[in-house]
Amino acid sequence: DADVTQTPRNRITKTGKRIMLECSQTKGHDRMYWYRQDPGLGLRLIYYSFDVKDINKGEISDGYSVSRQAQAKFSLSLESAIPNQTALYFCATSDYFGQGRTGELFFGEGSRLTVL
Amino acid sequence: AQSVAQPEDQVNVAEGNPLTVKCTYSVSGNPYLFWYVQYPNRGLQFLLKYITGDNLVKGSYGFEAEFNKSQTSFHLKKPSALVSDSALYFCAVRDWGSGTYKYIFGTGTRLKVLA
Repeated sequence: DADVTQTPRNRITKTGKRIMLECSQTKGHDRMYWYRQDPGLGLRLIYYSFDVKDINKGEISDGYSVSRQAQAKFSLSLESAIPNQTALYFCATSDYFGQGRTGELFFGEGSRLTVL
Repeated sequence: AQSVAQPEDQVNVAEGNPLTVKCTYSVSGNPYLFWYVQYPNRGLQFLLKYITGDNLVKGSYGFEAEFNKSQTSFHLKKPSALVSDSALYFCAVRDWGSGTYKYIFGTGTRLKVLA
């Protein structure tokens, strides 16, 4: 089984619908992230969480919300989807940095969302 | 502001030839640099990192990267390319400036290895 699991892997929806993307991990990491990938733009950070009680906005959080239900679960919601939110979404986890740990990211396989 | 630049959208190389994928960075403190690879329909996979120490860093699948502080570069290299190396490569820097320890990614370079 994958260390970082995203569901659904593919979703087509209509403008105005509410969508939730889920992420679960077995890495035991406290830190979890949601990124969005668009061609030519690389990865942009939507939200990140350093523990269950810590949620932070990234560079493109407008139109998105998140919930950290447990250490292992971090979900991303689009309250009212719009076509320019069509993208590939990645969940990632990392360990903290320090004491020999270097905090590289571990990614899920991605959730491809299409908003019509 | 911290930033990462990958100046080439695509790099083509013949199988068996050496390959280089370029990355330059801008950080206010010590740079912590990473390379990730993305194969079609997959998530990003960690390749290698530079934190401190030797300027030549070795990673997975025979890749290595050279940290050059004076040129603020962290180019990814491989002595002999394989067709299976064809993928999208991302350079990333860890952002210390805001104290939030976020990662900043480049826009990606598509590597195409020709048989």
